[in-house]
Amino acid sequence: DGGITQSPKYLFRKEGQNVTLSCEQNLNHDAMYWYRQDPGQGLRLIYYSQIVNDFQKGDIAEGYSVSREKKESFPLTVTSAQKNPTAFYLCASSIRDRNSPLHFGNGTRLTVT
Amino acid sequence: GENVEQHPSTLSVQEGDSAVIKCTYSDSASNYFPWYKQELGKRPQLIIDIRSNVGEKKDQRIAVTLNKTAKHFSLHITETQPEDSAVYFCAASKGGGTSYGKLTFGQGTILTVHP
Repeated sequence: DGGITQSPKYLFRKEGQNVTLSCEQNLNHDAMYWYRQDPGQGLRLIYYSQIVNDFQKGDIAEGYSVSREKKESFPLTVTSAQKNPTAFYLCASSIRDRNSPLHFGNGTRLTVT
Repeated sequence: GENVEQHPSTLSVQEGDSAVIKCTYSDSASNYFPWYKQELGKRPQLIIDIRSNVGEKKDQRIAVTLNKTAKHFSLHITETQPEDSAVYFCAASKGGGTSYGKLTFGQGTILTVHP
């Protein structure tokens, strides 16, 4: 189903704890992305990676970290430095070509209390 | 960086009417403009896209128009149906170099189609 798996669907954490969101794809896409979705603000880019072992900050990278050790995987860590971590997180992938559409996962809803 | 503004934030229509959602962008170098539909609790899915060398594109009841001079593009849905109810997002990107796939999204429009 879609080739991009995000887990878990719901995640609850206490304030001050780091948490890692999983994203795996079997579409053989080179590029992967993490977006954050908040009501009324659309999707905002956190980090993206165009190739293994390389990634770039997006528009709201502060308080987040990523790794890209394998083509299929692009985990996102929400650190305790992220001031408003409660949100819906979407992972996406695309072929590494100009103007290629994004394929999204089903998302992870993170709640930090 | 790129900034995309989307209007309206909510849109309510009767079944069979047309719906129009408009977006403006700030970076004249942007050349790729996709539209995504997100049903409640589901992932965003691409419904149509347009490139800057094209002024209009249609796919059955959906069409997108692009005005490069004015830097705005619009989504048109004709003969709306209740299953069109969803959140719609526009986006823009330059589609080259380090900007591959780096989409900037609008704020979203909640479309409700009443039977």
